[in-house]
Amino acid sequence: NAGVTQTPKFQVLKTGQSMTLQCAQDMNHNSMYWYRQDPGMGLRLIYYSASEGTTDKGEVPNGYNVSRLNKREFSLRLESAAPSQTSVYFCASSARLAGLNNEQFFGPGTRLTVL
Amino acid sequence: QKEVEQDPGPLSVPEGAIVSLNCTYSNSAFQYFMWYRQYSRKGPELLMYTYSSGNKEDGRFTAQVDKSSKYISLFIRDSQPSDSATYLCAMKSPAAGNKLTFGGGTRVLVKP
Repeated sequence: NAGVTQTPKFQVLKTGQSMTLQCAQDMNHNSMYWYRQDPGMGLRLIYYSASEGTTDKGEVPNGYNVSRLNKREFSLRLESAAPSQTSVYFCASSARLAGLNNEQFFGPGTRLTVL
Repeated sequence: QKEVEQDPGPLSVPEGAIVSLNCTYSNSAFQYFMWYRQYSRKGPELLMYTYSSGNKEDGRFTAQVDKSSKYISLFIRDSQPSDSATYLCAMKSPAAGNKLTFGGGTRVLVKP
């Protein structure tokens, strides 16, 4: 049982390049999330998917797109990377979107640098 | 102004001391309060989960919520070097589903 896995672990891009961050969970969770973490800012929600087939914007969606490929996988795409997108990206999943004791489980993160 | 404020630290304490962490928030709709622990180069993991006001204890950890003051705390008793990590508070309101609002995190260092 691997939990939430993310690839790649590290990535360096040049301004204007595109890339896709991959996330997969094996806990049969319905809901999945993408966050970015910047120094002193905590985690900020980029996009989330309440269930397979649905996606919604979070707090900081500009410059990103997402795809909920199936129940297990949720990818984050940067179409034209900018230095402001240098950050650590975390994927998370939970059994469902709402309700008590609905813990979000986080992956190990992808460290992205945009030059 | 951020919705959730947290002192970034670092907070350095000797082994065995009590670690005291806190967050203040501005949104009175928050009803669920969480503390996450994040080791260096790892993802956050849930430590404590509290609903509404009051105290909750789990081993060496105690979480307190004071909704009237919009203030939450986490206490770690008999701190160990393995408690060295960044501690993030997070909160959510029923209307926002499971969308969490995080504080910036406090880095804690427990020295042997």
